[in-house]
Amino acid sequence: EAGVAQSPRYKIIEKRQSVAFWCNPISGHATLYWYQQILGQGPKLLIQFQNNGVVDDSQLPKDRFSAERLKGVDSTLKIQPAKLEDSAVYLCASRGFTYEQYFGPGTRLTVT
Amino acid sequence: GENVEQHPSTLSVQEGDSAVIKCTYSDSASNYFPWYKQELGKRPQLIIDIRSNVGEKKDQRIAVTLNKTAKHFSLHITETQPEDSAVYFCAALGGYQKVTFGTGTKLQVIP
Repeated sequence: EAGVAQSPRYKIIEKRQSVAFWCNPISGHATLYWYQQILGQGPKLLIQFQNNGVVDDSQLPKDRFSAERLKGVDSTLKIQPAKLEDSAVYLCASRGFTYEQYFGPGTRLTVT
Repeated sequence: GENVEQHPSTLSVQEGDSAVIKCTYSDSASNYFPWYKQELGKRPQLIIDIRSNVGEKKDQRIAVTLNKTAKHFSLHITETQPEDSAVYFCAALGGYQKVTFGTGTKLQVIP
């Protein structure tokens, strides 16, 4: 069974630029999560999808972050415009019928 | 919303000793409590989990205990080894299947 795929693995941008991350969950997993993990902290949930619907986006900074999962499979997370404090690892995870989440390798974003 | 507190933030133990990490949660509806190990530059890796209908679960050197009344759960690692050195996160799955992570414990096992 293939794991959760994410791309790119690394991205360096200047502040005020835009960036997009892509996630392909494990086949058949209905629940998809995007987390932001700042160095030295635990993952913070940004948004949770159930199929193509949003379950929770209460911690998503909606003035600059957006996410979609149009067909209920893969998902994109966008930041526009980026700020220095957005430097972090962005983790995607998916979950099937069990409670266990499966994490992707993450995208390390550096905003200069 | 759910609030998960984790202590201690750092923990140093001698190789062979035990390590205990504790977490408390606020949402009484939380029903699933995983523990993750994260090595530097890697993704979180599930090491053990427990559901709310169970008080204790053990897997070799790792065990987790849950006290629903007090809303706290703990990770116990016995006979620690240098390869156990990492950051450990607790988490709680609450209403709407939302997962909230603790702030992490950096465990150092000294050979």
